[in-house]
Amino acid sequence: AQSVTQPDIHITVSEGASLELRCNYSYGATPYLFWYVQSPGQGLQLLLKYFSGDTLVQGIKGFEAEFKRSQSSFNLRKPSVHWSDAAEYFCAVGDSGYALNFGKGTSLLVTP
Amino acid sequence: DAGITQSPRHKVTETGTPVTLRCHQTENHRYMYWYRQDPGHGLRLIHYSYGVKDTDKGEVSDGYSVSRSKTEDFLLTLESATSSQTSVYFCAISESTGLAPRQFFGPGTRLTVL
Repeated sequence: AQSVTQPDIHITVSEGASLELRCNYSYGATPYLFWYVQSPGQGLQLLLKYFSGDTLVQGIKGFEAEFKRSQSSFNLRKPSVHWSDAAEYFCAVGDSGYALNFGKGTSLLVTP
Repeated sequence: DAGITQSPRHKVTETGTPVTLRCHQTENHRYMYWYRQDPGHGLRLIHYSYGVKDTDKGEVSDGYSVSRSKTEDFLLTLESATSSQTSVYFCAISESTGLAPRQFFGPGTRLTVL
């Protein structure tokens, strides 16, 4: 069965520093991969998605993610974090049409 | 933003009472989903629908039922609420079942079962 692991429950970074959030997946075929962000008290917003082609995917708010099949990873990156990026981040894997399997999330804290 | 509303947004109820949560969409998307979100668990799928009157179970469906009599509405019912069903419930819709189906999420319903 497909699954997603986000190894880091909490991450703290300084404003202006770079960010990398890790995501590992387990899936037999080529996965559809997603990153969502959830601000406190809000629903989930899609940051980016990957399904084929270029393994480096650009998303909204300056985020990007790189698909690495050999490592079964889809890590999210941002070169310079802003205080407004503090939120919960979820990686998810989907199949041909139905639901998504979500990781347990990584909570990002941004310090001044 | 996708037109998804959930009602109520907050509800407090007592153990053993029935509860119905409503998800309403204005996008005419075929697929609709109910998830629950709990600390340390991320989002877990309860039920989903792939068309009017077509539904199926997800990972954590015990104690929940759903109905979809119109494209725009997807109802989640807790027949007899328990404290373990205290959670935040999210509805989602999917714009396609083709490549990389993208899901849009509603604002959530916070349910507390006392």
